[in-house]
Amino acid sequence: AQTVTQSQPEMSVQEAETVTLSCTYDTSESNYYLFWYKQPPSRQMILVIRQEAYKQQNATENRFSVNFQKAAKSFSLKISDSQLGDTAMYFCALAPPSNTGNQFYFGTGTSLTVIP
Amino acid sequence: DADVTQTPRNRITKTGKRIMLECSQTKGHDRMYWYRQDPGLGLQLIYYSFDVKDINKGEISDGYSVSRQAQAKFSLSLESAIPNQTALYFCATSDSRTRYNEQFFGPGTRLTVL
Repeated sequence: AQTVTQSQPEMSVQEAETVTLSCTYDTSESNYYLFWYKQPPSRQMILVIRQEAYKQQNATENRFSVNFQKAAKSFSLKISDSQLGDTAMYFCALAPPSNTGNQFYFGTGTSLTVIP
Repeated sequence: DADVTQTPRNRITKTGKRIMLECSQTKGHDRMYWYRQDPGLGLQLIYYSFDVKDINKGEISDGYSVSRQAQAKFSLSLESAIPNQTALYFCATSDSRTRYNEQFFGPGTRLTVL
């Protein structure tokens, strides 16, 4: 079975500070992909960042970066210089390669509030 | 822009009514998905379709049915709506030709069953 766990239902951070959201997962697959999606109050699901499991280098996208620890099955999201627009629900997701025909798995989400 | 659209965006209905939620995409993706989002539970997969002739049940398919009318259209039906089906419903697409299997989401449909 494949599972994704986000153990922090709610978090807050001061504007301009750094925050880290945690995600752990379980899979028996050797190749897979990990994603962080953001859901602002508009409710649209927006891809923030993605990581390929066979790449050791951590992915970065501007102020967003991940700490991918494959052996520990951990995939945390770091947001630097937090902005008010970062206030949203964040979901971690585990996906198989496209050619396996398996489904996507989402965590239960972390609600992040950026405080002015 | 290539997009994923859902209709309606909001719907209030009564217990026992049949309701259909529609999803269309112009991304040219072959795979489509229906998810349900409840507070504290994240996104749960209802049904998914890897092509027009391939439809699969997800984690919570009971009480729901789907139809893949064309590669670009995937509808979700509630045959007899009940109050605990009140939720936010998302359609998503992905492209099997890409390595990442990234999913692209529609704007969601807020469904309330009274």
